Amino acid sequence: KAGVTQTPRYLIKTRGQQVTLSCSPISGHRSVSWYQQTPGQGLQFLFEYFSETQRNKGNFPGRFSGRQFSNSRSEMNVSTLELGDSALYLCASSSPGQGVYEQYFGPGTRLTVT
Amino acid sequence: ELKVEQNPLFLSMQEGKNYTIYCNYSTTSDRLYWYRQDPGKSLESLFVLLSNGAVKQEGRLMASLDTKARLSTLHITAAVHDLSATYFCAVDGQGAQKLVFGQGTRLTINP
Repeated sequence: KAGVTQTPRYLIKTRGQQVTLSCSPISGHRSVSWYQQTPGQGLQFLFEYFSETQRNKGNFPGRFSGRQFSNSRSEMNVSTLELGDSALYLCASSSPGQGVYEQYFGPGTRLTVT
Repeated sequence: ELKVEQNPLFLSMQEGKNYTIYCNYSTTSDRLYWYRQDPGKSLESLFVLLSNGAVKQEGRLMASLDTKARLSTLHITAAVHDLSATYFCAVDGQGAQKLVFGQGTRLTINP
């Protein structure tokens, strides 16, 4: 099975711009979660989508949003970028229905805000 | 609020030695995960521990879970350089697909 894929892998944006990141889960996985990793704050949960519905949300401002499509692919959007949004954004997919809630992570998108 | 703490945060050791990384968490959870991250890379799943007393081993790594003590350990036996990486433990947030991660332990193994 192909793993989780994320595009793009690298992005450079300017403060005030917006950005959209994409995540394709492992085939058959219906849950997609997003995490932000920074040196200062570590790994933090952003949100989780299951069957096109947001089920859980972390403590991030409303500038961070996401959605999931009927094929389980997910996008996250960050509007009005700030320097502090520079981070590695990881998505993970899982198949909760199988009883083991293991999450498989993609390679990440490294976002740099200048 | 669920909190996960690892120690030590940095560990430098020699090849051939044994050591243990500790992971404490603050509220009840039945699932604990260990991940490995190499520099600039994503997270690689190492172990999923699902119940009290669970022990899993893969090569030179062994993980265990004590849900009563809210403690998991990752034991490294006869370390080799290839195990140099950052190791994270994570706990499910109240059964949701919402992992709360520890700070990570940066492990450096010197020849």
